[in-house]
Amino acid sequence: GAVVSQHPSRVICKSGTSVKIECRSLDFQATTMFWYRQFPKQSLMLMATSNEGSKATYEQGVEKDKFLINHASLTLSTLTVTSAHPEDSSFYICSATTGTEPYEQYFGPGTRLTVT
Amino acid sequence: GQNIDQPTEMTATEGAIVQINCTYQTSGFNGLFWYQQHAGEAPTFLSYNVLDGLEEKGRFSSFLSRSKGYSYLLLKELQMKDSASYLCAVMDSNYQLIWGAGTKLIIKP
Repeated sequence: GAVVSQHPSRVICKSGTSVKIECRSLDFQATTMFWYRQFPKQSLMLMATSNEGSKATYEQGVEKDKFLINHASLTLSTLTVTSAHPEDSSFYICSATTGTEPYEQYFGPGTRLTVT
Repeated sequence: GQNIDQPTEMTATEGAIVQINCTYQTSGFNGLFWYQQHAGEAPTFLSYNVLDGLEEKGRFSSFLSRSKGYSYLLLKELQMKDSASYLCAVMDSNYQLIWGAGTKLIIKP
């Protein structure tokens, strides 16, 4: 159990376009979902925390208008990278938690975004 | 501030034992997690400690000392597939995960 899917796994887009990444909890209801980005050989960097039905909480330095997060249901959260630029190229990973102890985060497989 | 420290890289031999240390300073404590991450993949859960002591799970064990702000992950009978990064993460008083930078473990034949 506790499977999280992410789609797409890889995406290449042109500079200036927008890209949407979906994160789904397949066999549990995720009260909270998290979005991370990871640069090569670096650790995870939390971008935002989203709770179903409410606005996401963004970490300091993360642009809300650039990285749009929607947590529309207990099983789906989306991250939209708007007006993408080459510096947005990264590995984006979502995770989800059931909201019950031990509050373990279950990770999706990640999305490799390349902006050309 | 909140801080998680773990070695950047370690090397060990196939079949041997390796211990990866993690020290932390956080605002409150609601548990410590160890995750394994292979290159280009998402992290996978290894262990969770919230009370002092040793938790054993097959070839992997994790230890916690809350008074010392210290944990270690012990890997026995190392296999080549254990080559990966190992991430230590502490859940603070707000139930937010604070991540270490990860330890890259290199296994040599």
